[in-house]
Amino acid sequence: NAGVTQTPKFQVLKTGQSMTLQCAQDMNHNSMYWYRQDPGMGLRLIYYSASEGTTDKGEVPNGYNVSRLNKREFSLRLESAAPSQTSVYFCASSEAQIRQGANSPLHFGNGTRLTVT
Amino acid sequence: AQSVTQLGSHVSVSEGALVLLRCNYSSSVPPYLFWYVQYPNQGLQLLLKYTSAATLVKGINGFEAEFKKSETSFHLTKPSAHMSDAAEYFCAVSDAGGTSYGKLTFGQGTILTVHP
Repeated sequence: NAGVTQTPKFQVLKTGQSMTLQCAQDMNHNSMYWYRQDPGMGLRLIYYSASEGTTDKGEVPNGYNVSRLNKREFSLRLESAAPSQTSVYFCASSEAQIRQGANSPLHFGNGTRLTVT
Repeated sequence: AQSVTQLGSHVSVSEGALVLLRCNYSSSVPPYLFWYVQYPNQGLQLLLKYTSAATLVKGINGFEAEFKKSETSFHLTKPSAHMSDAAEYFCAVSDAGGTSYGKLTFGQGTILTVHP
């Protein structure tokens, strides 16, 4: 099984450009997440989707939009990239549902390294 | 609100020595706690998780962690370090509420270096 697949692996943007980070999972998971990782700050939740058709803001949603295209796919869009969005972006999925949500581990992709100049 | 603090951004040990990575949490409700490991240029992998069934949790690769409610701690240990343990380790917390949908709050990470 591929697990969680993210594309692209690397991307360089200029300030003001837009792009979409793609994520797909093949584990039939209900919930999907986008995190960003910055040195010394751990991972911070940008957006999540508890189930197909729903999305909610996480800790750091400003400057981002998401789409839960179907159960498998969850994309993250930067409409107008800024240098502060230089980071490593991780997509994750889990079986989490309403009652069992909290103890379901996350399964991560290998990340997208984004540099905004 | 919940939070996680990992004490020490870098830990260095010799091969064969005890590994101790510290994690303290803050949560207004009973927590679920996790340790993840990240190898260079990879995503995070689950090492172990605490979900209230037992306070001492065993994970993969010989790691274990003990939940201590009185100390609000969930420290990660391994009796004997191996070179392959060199990685970054993250502690994470999720509250036990039904609407958490698996969202995790992560600590800042601890980079473990293992010397020959």
